[in-house]
Amino acid sequence: KAGVTQTPRYLIKTRGQQVTLSCSPISGHRSVSWYQQTPGQGLQFLFEYFSETQRNKGNFPGRFSGRQFSNSRSEMNVSTLELGDSALYLCASSRRLAGDYEQYFGPGTRLTVT
Amino acid sequence: QKEVEQNSGPLSVPEGAIASLNCTYSDRVSQSFFWYRQYSGKSPELIMSIYSNGDKEDGRFTAQLNKASQYVSLLIRDSQPSDSATYLCAAQRGSGGYQKVTFGTGTKLQVIP
Repeated sequence: KAGVTQTPRYLIKTRGQQVTLSCSPISGHRSVSWYQQTPGQGLQFLFEYFSETQRNKGNFPGRFSGRQFSNSRSEMNVSTLELGDSALYLCASSRRLAGDYEQYFGPGTRLTVT
Repeated sequence: QKEVEQNSGPLSVPEGAIASLNCTYSDRVSQSFFWYRQYSGKSPELIMSIYSNGDKEDGRFTAQLNKASQYVSLLIRDSQPSDSATYLCAAQRGSGGYQKVTFGTGTKLQVIP
């Protein structure tokens, strides 16, 4: 079974630009969660999508947004990039059914903002 | 108080010893708990999940859950240098449409050959 895939793997952007990251979950998984990981803050929850609907949202500004498509693939967008947005962005998929909340992470997208 | 707390370490153990990693959580309604291993520069990898009080064993790994004490632990027997990584504890709560998974900041484990 193929794992979670994320594209691109690495990205360098300039302050003020915007960026879109993509995540394809494990086949059959309908939930996709996004996390930001930095050395100082650890794993911070951004949002979760399930069946094309945002179910939960973390404490991030509105510059961070996402969506999920009917095939469960998800995208995350960050507008007006700031230096502090430099981080590893991880997506995780899960079945999220019948008490199964195990999440499986993709390899991540490392974003550098200069 | 952080929702999920872990000692950041590093925890150093000699090869072949038992490594004991601990985690406490503050939300009493948390239902499911997970341990992830993260190698430097890599993404977290799920190694254990535990849902009820007691022990759960999988190979060299044993997860222990005590909901009364709000405490989760991971034991790694016969530790190997390849076990050197950061171990993340996570707690899940919620039902129906709302679910929340909160991660601790991780404990760095060093297994000394």
